[in-house]
Amino acid sequence: KAGVTQTPRYLIKTRGQQVTLSCSPISGHRSVSWYQQTPGQGLQFLFEYFSETQRNKGNFPGRFSGRQFSNSRSEMNVSTLELGDSALYLCASSLAFSGGEQYFGPGTRLTVT
Amino acid sequence: QKEVEQDPGPLSVPEGAIVSLNCTYSNSAFQYFMWYRQYSRKGPELLMYTYSSGNKEDGRFTAQVDKSSKYISLFIRDSQPSDSATYLCAMARAAGNKLTFGGGTRVLVKP
Repeated sequence: KAGVTQTPRYLIKTRGQQVTLSCSPISGHRSVSWYQQTPGQGLQFLFEYFSETQRNKGNFPGRFSGRQFSNSRSEMNVSTLELGDSALYLCASSLAFSGGEQYFGPGTRLTVT
Repeated sequence: QKEVEQDPGPLSVPEGAIVSLNCTYSNSAFQYFMWYRQYSRKGPELLMYTYSSGNKEDGRFTAQVDKSSKYISLFIRDSQPSDSATYLCAMARAAGNKLTFGGGTRVLVKP
C-alpha cells in the first residue's frame, strides 16, 4: 500500500509570493492534517480535514489556508510569504475519525528568500 | 510552559544498550499517545501507538503510559547505530486527530 505522498518535495519562493502544497493520503484514509516543522518551534499543528470539512485549526495567521477534495487529497496554501514561513511542511493521514494512528509523508521543504 | 515537555538531548549510548526516552505533559485531556522516529530531512515515522495508561511492546520497542503522573516513556532494547535519529512523542485528545508534539530527543547510538 502506498504511503502518504507530498508534492513538491522542495520549493524556493520569494517574499510576497504565494505557494500551494499538495498531499495525497494513504488509500482509504479520510483524515488529513498539516503541520509546520521548524528548528525553533518544532512540529506545530496547522489544520485538520475530514471528509472535506476543516475540523481543527492551529494558531497560524489567515495567510495559511487549506482544503480537502472529495478523493481526500488535500492542499494547503500560504499567501504573501514571509521569511519566517521557511519550514518543512508535513502532511499526515489517518483512517480514524478521532484518535487514530497518523502516518506522515516525507514533507515539502519550503525556502523563502 | 509547553503542553508537552521532552528533553532535547543529545542522548549518546553504546551499541546494544537500552535507550530510555520520556515525555511529560500537563493536559489531562490527552488520551492517545504516540512515538515517532525522524531521520534528518525525512518525515516522522510512527513507532508506537497507545491508548490511555499501560504498557505496549513491539519488537525491541516498549512504550509506557502513566496518566496519573502525566508521563510517558519509550524504551529501545539492543540499540543499533541505525536507531540514531530524533524521537518525538505526540499526544491527541479524544476528539479529532490534532497531535501535540514534544520537542524531540536526539539519540546517537555509537558502534
